[in-house]
Amino acid sequence: AQSVSQHNHHVILSEAASLELGCNYSYGGTVNLFWYVQYPGQHLQLLLKYFSGDPLVKGIKGFEAEFIKSKFSFNLRKPSVQWSDTAEYFCAVNAPRDDKIIFGKGTRLHILP
Amino acid sequence: DTGVSQDPRHKITKRGQNVTFRCDPISEHNRLYWYRQTLGQGPEFLTYFQNEAQLEKSRLLSDRFSAERPKGSFSTLEIQRTEQGDSAMYLCASSSQPLFYTFGSGTRLTVV
Repeated sequence: AQSVSQHNHHVILSEAASLELGCNYSYGGTVNLFWYVQYPGQHLQLLLKYFSGDPLVKGIKGFEAEFIKSKFSFNLRKPSVQWSDTAEYFCAVNAPRDDKIIFGKGTRLHILP
Repeated sequence: DTGVSQDPRHKITKRGQNVTFRCDPISEHNRLYWYRQTLGQGPEFLTYFQNEAQLEKSRLLSDRFSAERPKGSFSTLEIQRTEQGDSAMYLCASSSQPLFYTFGSGTRLTVV
């Protein structure tokens, strides 16, 4: 069965700092990978996804993630964060031919103005 | 707003009572998913429908939980004889193709 591990539960950064949130997954075969974001008081939204092809994936709001198959990782990055990036971020995995997505525990990101 | 709608937004119930939540998906979406999210955890898969057929149920879904999707439109999730451990946010998502979820805002259940 698939599982997802997010290394940081709570991250605090100042505006303009660079961000990297770690994500490792556990599954032996081909996977589809996702990052979701939940802004305060809002529903979960898709930030970016990787199905195949270029392992460097660009998403909305300047976020990107890199799939490193040898490390079973899919870390989320942003070169310069903004106060509006304060949110909870969830890494998620799906095994092909399985219709459900498995989520990590999330990382709560707090950006100081 | 044509997103996924969940009702109620909040529910407080006494232990032992039954509760029912409703999810209205985006109208053209044939897939519907229920997840549960507790404090400090990510969403955990509960069950999944394609049209009116319930195709998968998690082991998290005990006998006290039942979900339906009559006519392949809205869905209901019922919890019988609620326990304090059932306190959580219950999320619904829908999609027209696999893995392209649109989530609702959730129903927060508090069992006292």
